[in-house]
Amino acid sequence: QKEVEQNSGPLSVPEGAIASLNCTYSDRVSQSFFWYRQYSGKSPELIMSIYSNGDKEDGRFTAQLNKASQYVSLLIRDSQPSDSATYLCAVRDSSYKLIFGSGTRLLVRP
Amino acid sequence: EADIYQTPRYLVIGTGKKITLECSQTMGHDKMYWYQQDPGMELHLIHYSYGVNSTEKGDLSSESTVSRIRTEHFPLTLESARPSHTSQYLCASSYSSYNSPLHFGNGTRLTVT
Repeated sequence: QKEVEQNSGPLSVPEGAIASLNCTYSDRVSQSFFWYRQYSGKSPELIMSIYSNGDKEDGRFTAQLNKASQYVSLLIRDSQPSDSATYLCAVRDSSYKLIFGSGTRLLVRP
Repeated sequence: EADIYQTPRYLVIGTGKKITLECSQTMGHDKMYWYQQDPGMELHLIHYSYGVNSTEKGDLSSESTVSRIRTEHFPLTLESARPSHTSQYLCASSYSSYNSPLHFGNGTRLTVT
């Protein structure tokens, strides 16, 4: 079992819809969680971080964390074609290493 | 926003050449990292450093070497480039605190012919 798991996709949603991206992790002690967006041929850019159970909102983005179930998700409201990218979930484990998932590819159809 | 710079942005070089990929950051971050990523594939950690004179190998075996003589500078060197080294190389940095995210440079796309 990989330490951080994401569905590779592609997840295809129509423009204006809510895109829901999910990530599960194996280290129960993990406390820091990050979402990165990576456009094709570009480097990852940080879009959200979350440390406490519950929701954290930033503009059209909402990160959700459930430590008991060991999952973290990212919701993108009013999805735009410019949101089409690969979204990487990253989890800081108990040894301080930042473990990246393999990413979910999101396609937003105009 | 972290300022982290990688040069060159693109490099095409012949087999057997020695190359150094440069990475510098101006944020005073303690930790620096090198990742390798092929198109459409996941990130692989190849080297990291927790501070000056500290370097460690990452999860993916690599023939490259790194050095950390100054806090802000973390160059990666390939003594003899081969076509199998063709990839994108991403440098990143962060503070030491547990909650600190990584900030990535723009990457170097290396092609070895």
